[in-house]
Parts: sequence; C-alpha cells; structure tokens
Amino acid sequence: AQTVTQSQPEMSVQEAETVTLSCTYDTSENNYYLFWYKQPPSRQMILVIRQEAYKQQNATENRFSVNFQKAAKSFSLKISDSQLGDTAMYFCAFMKYGGATNKLIFGTGTLLAVQP
Amino acid sequence: KAGVTQTPRYLIKTRGQQVTLSCSPISGHRSVSWYQQTPGQGLQFLFEYFSETQRNKGNFPGRFSGRQFSNSRSEMNVSTLELGDSALYLCASSLAPGNGNTIYFGEGSWLTVV
Repeated sequence: AQTVTQSQPEMSVQEAETVTLSCTYDTSENNYYLFWYKQPPSRQMILVIRQEAYKQQNATENRFSVNFQKAAKSFSLKISDSQLGDTAMYFCAFMKYGGATNKLIFGTGTLLAVQP
Repeated sequence: KAGVTQTPRYLIKTRGQQVTLSCSPISGHRSVSWYQQTPGQGLQFLFEYFSETQRNKGNFPGRFSGRQFSNSRSEMNVSTLELGDSALYLCASSLAPGNGNTIYFGEGSWLTVV
C-alpha cells in the first residue's frame, strides 16, 4: 500500500521570502503521479503542481517548483516570493499510474502561514 | 466553464438519520470521486465512479454508498448517521480515470451530525 508523509504540520514564512514544504512517500510502483494541492480557508482543493514519476525534470509552475527525488521517494514544494494569498493548507498526494483509477492518497497536510 | 458543484453546502443531521449529497462534475467530465475530510483522519478516499459504474471503493462501512447517473452527476448517501460522520465531503471530477488526468475539486459539503 502507498503512504504519503508530511512531517511539517505548520510552517510560517515572511512575505516575499521562499519556503519549502516536505513530502515523502512509500510505494513499490515504478510509475506514478505526485501532486501538491492547496486548500485555502474556502476549503476548495486547488491543484498547485503535478509531477510524473517517469519525468526526471522537476515540474515548475510560476512561483511554485518541486524537487523530485525518485530514489529517495521525496517530493518537496518550493514557493518563491511568497504572497499573502499563499496562506493555506498544502497537501501532497500520490496517484498510481494506469490502473484506470483516479484515487488520490493524501498526506496529512502542512498549514502554511505567510506573514506580512 | 462551471466548476464542480456540490449541494448542499452545509447541513445538520441527527444521529440515525440518513443524508444524500450531490455532485455535478465539470461539463464533459465522466469520472467522479468522493473524499471525506476530518481533523482526525485527514483526507480519505470514499469511492470513484465512471460511466455509472463504481470503479474503486475506500475502506468505509456499507452505510456509505454512492451512484452515478447517465449525465455523470453523482450522489453519495450515508445511512444511520453517527457522530463520527461529521466531516467535509469533497467531490472531485476528471475527464476519465487513469492517465493522470487533472482532478478538480468542488467546495465540499459540510455535514454536522448531532
């Protein structure tokens, strides 16, 4: 069975600074997808970034980038130039490749507070 | 393009009652999944539907059930409600299962059981 671990329950960062959120996972699969979702106070889950395990290049989306270390089973999220609107709960999630399923396995989340 | 729509957004039920939650996926999306979010258990997968068929089910008791209609809209039902069923229930939709298609979530239905 796959598991996703987020070891930082809460983090704080000053506006305009950079912060890194950690995520590790356990799986015996070779191909899979990894995601970071953001859940603001409205509680709607919003996709931040995704990574395909078969791609060696780390995904980037504007101020968001990941450091994907497949051998170490690590998938961290870096937020550059943090903004107040980045304040939210961030969830790391795993999805199997193929298998005709969209089942996401989530970590416990990291609550990020961006301070003015 | 409308997003994933969940109704009702908030509801309060009494122990022993049953509840039905509804989810309308994004137009063109045929895959719908449901998740339960609680402070204690976090986000847990309930079930997944595609083309009116349940494709996957999480580790929940039989009191939790769901279905999908021909227009891809989905409902989930919880019978004989317990206090522990109080949670945010999130619906998600995507084009189809597998292939890592982007999954879009609704704003959720807040269920309080008293």
